[in-house]
Amino acid sequence: AQRVTQPEKLLSVFKGAPVELKCNYSYSGSPELFWYVQYSRQRLQLLLRHISRESIKGFTADLNKGETSFHLKKPFAQEEDSAMYYCALTRYGGSQGNLIFGKGTKLSVKP
Amino acid sequence: EAGVAQSPRYKIIEKRQSVAFWCNPISGHATLYWYQQILGQGPKLLIQFQNNGVVDDSQLPKDRFSAERLKGVDSTLKIQPAKLEDSAVYLCASSSDMWDEQYFGPGTRLTVT
Repeated sequence: AQRVTQPEKLLSVFKGAPVELKCNYSYSGSPELFWYVQYSRQRLQLLLRHISRESIKGFTADLNKGETSFHLKKPFAQEEDSAMYYCALTRYGGSQGNLIFGKGTKLSVKP
Repeated sequence: EAGVAQSPRYKIIEKRQSVAFWCNPISGHATLYWYQQILGQGPKLLIQFQNNGVVDDSQLPKDRFSAERLKGVDSTLKIQPAKLEDSAVYLCASSSDMWDEQYFGPGTRLTVT
């Protein structure tokens, strides 16, 4: 079955601490992985996708096919990073409409 | 550019009533998506349009949900009759094409009592 698992519903860290939001997936094929973010009172928006290999707002994520993981990391958390984060996948090269989302992790960065 | 617009933002109805949601995508975007997001879950795709044609409606409960995008621009999603379990946020998103980044609207929060 195709599935995205985000094991933490809530992650709380202090400002300046490292952050890692976990994402594991199950997919029979070659996946494309994404991280979406929703800040308070804002719309859901794309944060990054694994094929672009970009660092957005200091966040990075590496696709580990052996461990079927796509964890989101940032070395020094900022208060403005507090938000809801969703990991998602689709078939590599396929329509992005077939996105399968995880349940999300709420990140809270304390001052 | 203007973002994806949705209306209404909130709707409360009783079970067995009908409801309709409207979405206006970003101008020029060929692909339009409707998602259902139940509290505590990630968004789940209900239906995907490419221009005015349906690409994927495999997860749309067709006995009560319907959607259309007649002129390949605006879209409406209807529920008739509503059930308690339809309480959710309904998100509309659009992209310039099927392989491009999706832009989400603010969503419509539906409460069925």
